[in-house]
Amino acid sequence: NAGVTQTPKFRILKIGQSMTLQCAQDMNHNYMYWYRQDPGMGLKLIYYSVGAGITDKGEVPNGYNVSRSTTEDFPLRLELAAPSQTSVYFCASSPPGLVGNEQFFGPGTRLTVL
Amino acid sequence: TQLLEQSPQFLSIQEGENLTVYCNSSSVFSSLQWYRQEPGEGPVLLVTVVTGGEVKKLKRLTFQFGDARKDSSLHITAAQPGDTGLYLCAPRGAQKLVFGQGTRLTINP
Repeated sequence: NAGVTQTPKFRILKIGQSMTLQCAQDMNHNYMYWYRQDPGMGLKLIYYSVGAGITDKGEVPNGYNVSRSTTEDFPLRLELAAPSQTSVYFCASSPPGLVGNEQFFGPGTRLTVL
Repeated sequence: TQLLEQSPQFLSIQEGENLTVYCNSSSVFSSLQWYRQEPGEGPVLLVTVVTGGEVKKLKRLTFQFGDARKDSSLHITAAQPGDTGLYLCAPRGAQKLVFGQGTRLTINP
C-alpha cells in the first residue's frame, strides 16, 4: 500500500492564480481531511469528507473548495491564491468511527504564494 | 468555542533528562490522540487514550488522560535525540480531530 499520497510536493503560485492539490489514498478509508500548517504552528482543518459525495467545512474553509467523487481521491482547489494561503498542506484519511481511529497523513505540499 | 492549549510551546533539554508536556482543554472529549511530527513529514500517531484517568506507556513515553477527560500529559523518561519533533495533541470531536498548536521538543546530544 502506498498509503496517502499528495502531489505536488512543492509549488509557487502568483497572487490570483489557481491550482488543485491532489490527494489519494489506497486504504479504502471513508474519511478524508485537508489541513494547513503555518510555520511553527499546529494543524488547522480546512475541509473534511465522510464518504464519496459528502464534504463539510472545517475551521478555515475560506478560499478553498473540495470535491469527493470517489473514495480514493480528495482534491483541494485554491481559487485566486493569496499570500495568506502560503502554508504546508496535509491530506489525511481514516476509517470511520467516533473513537480512536488513527489518521494517516500524506507527506504534505509546501505552497508559496508570491 | 473550545479552547485547546499545549504547553510549553517550545522545550529544549539535554539527552537523558526527563520532561512532561501538557494538553489542556475547556471541553470534555470522548478520546484524545497524541501525534509526533518530524521535520518535512506528516504527523504519526503515538497513542489514543479513551477512559478518564487512563495511563498508557510506549517504551519511555507515558501518556495520561485526565479524570475529567479535559486534559492530558505526555512524560518522556531519559529523552533521546530521536525524540526530537513536534508533539501534537488531538482531542476528538464528532467525526474529526482538533489539533493543538503543539510542543516543539529538541533533545540536545
